[in-house]
Amino acid sequence: QQPVQSPQAVILREGEDAVINCSSSKALYSVHWYRQKHGEAPVFLMILLKGGEQKGHEKISASFNEKKQQSSLYLTASQLSYSGTYFCGTEGNTDKLIFGTGTRLQVFP
Amino acid sequence: DAGVIQSPRHEVTEMGQEVTLRCKPISGHNSLFWYRQTMMRGLELLIYFNNNVPIDDSGMPEDRFSAKMPNASFSTLKIQPSEPRDSAVYFCASSSINQPQHFGDGTRLSIL
Repeated sequence: QQPVQSPQAVILREGEDAVINCSSSKALYSVHWYRQKHGEAPVFLMILLKGGEQKGHEKISASFNEKKQQSSLYLTASQLSYSGTYFCGTEGNTDKLIFGTGTRLQVFP
Repeated sequence: DAGVIQSPRHEVTEMGQEVTLRCKPISGHNSLFWYRQTMMRGLELLIYFNNNVPIDDSGMPEDRFSAKMPNASFSTLKIQPSEPRDSAVYFCASSSINQPQHFGDGTRLSIL
């Protein structure tokens, strides 16, 4: 069961904030976030383990609510370099990740 | 450190031909994953190996697809015979325990 991401697409001006959500119908052990630029491979951003922790990477942070089986990615004061497609990958009790539907983010000057 | 290395980067071949994609994982990583990415279906896991042993191949589309990992530093994904609907970008990724997956640059496959 593929996690569902929302919104499907976001358009921002530089400096604006955005939130990307990821919901799963299955119990989760962890959530992984990746960003993929056009024509390139997905690049790892962060992992969140169950426990509801929040992690940050520069101006990008994320939270994980294991009871609701949801994770959210927060992009603050967006930069042009943030443009790309964001994927959440959810992990149950195995090593494998099931990637979400993706959220396309475009940041304009 | 070298990342995950995939070859070829691009492959164009005719329907019915055999296609072999190759992957060299990051040294020390004990898990290897093969993904297929298309606009319609997104990023799909085809198969993954742990310590060179196939653990889950439930994502392999059909018998035309096969994957091997003869040693810790090499894996292949083979399609025989290939069909136009197999056209996609194929990624290989590797990881170690409780660590994130690192992706190779992918192989862009076009079946005519």
